[in-house]
Amino acid sequence: IQLTQSPFSVSASVGDRVTITCRASQHINIFLAWFQTKPGKAPKSLIYDISKLQSGVPSKFSGSASGTNFTLTITSLQPEDFATYYCQQYFSYPRTFGQGTKVDI
Amino acid sequence: QVQLLESGPGLVRPSQTLSLTCTVFDDSINGGDYYWAWIRQPPGMGLEWIGHIYYRGTTDYSPSLRSRLTMSVDTSKRQFSLSLSSVTAADTAVYYCAREGDSGYDPFDSWGPGALVTVSS
Repeated sequence: IQLTQSPFSVSASVGDRVTITCRASQHINIFLAWFQTKPGKAPKSLIYDISKLQSGVPSKFSGSASGTNFTLTITSLQPEDFATYYCQQYFSYPRTFGQGTKVDI
Repeated sequence: QVQLLESGPGLVRPSQTLSLTCTVFDDSINGGDYYWAWIRQPPGMGLEWIGHIYYRGTTDYSPSLRSRLTMSVDTSKRQFSLSLSSVTAADTAVYYCAREGDSGYDPFDSWGPGALVTVSS
């Protein structure tokens, strides 16, 4: 299953709202997750089942879907939110990932 | 969630075998409930699922790597391992270990920080 993520990168300012999209090449039900990566650190799982927040993840992160189009929204960007974000499907094997979206200042 | 940590050589010669171990810092590797996975990311490229292993040793591998891949688990040490044979420069990547539930429809909930492995002579 191919996941097409966009944009490749986005420049934003502290306090901004950012939206990232992920389109699946076929039906994946609700089995879509989002996670955040920073250099040298373990990737951090943010959202699973389209819109459920992992434990400890603030509500500034939210997920939604329309058919095979999925969206991650981050509100009120803070310095610690500047990172690369990936979508990932767990409907079938092999697990696949979007190409990533880098959110920078 | 659980803390995971990858370890192993950072440099491997071409045609040799790449070996990595992931240490699990709680007891969740015992008794089921999770698959233990490996994912890699070559420099400047996307993430690739390599495969996973269950605590009883059953495995599922990426078709593209299956012929060169072996995974194992040692629950007494709380570790699982990856061996990739006949490596080339294309296997240079950051290798991550991760945990996912065993229902077949579970996300990764924990990741290690990753280990960079360079294949070079």
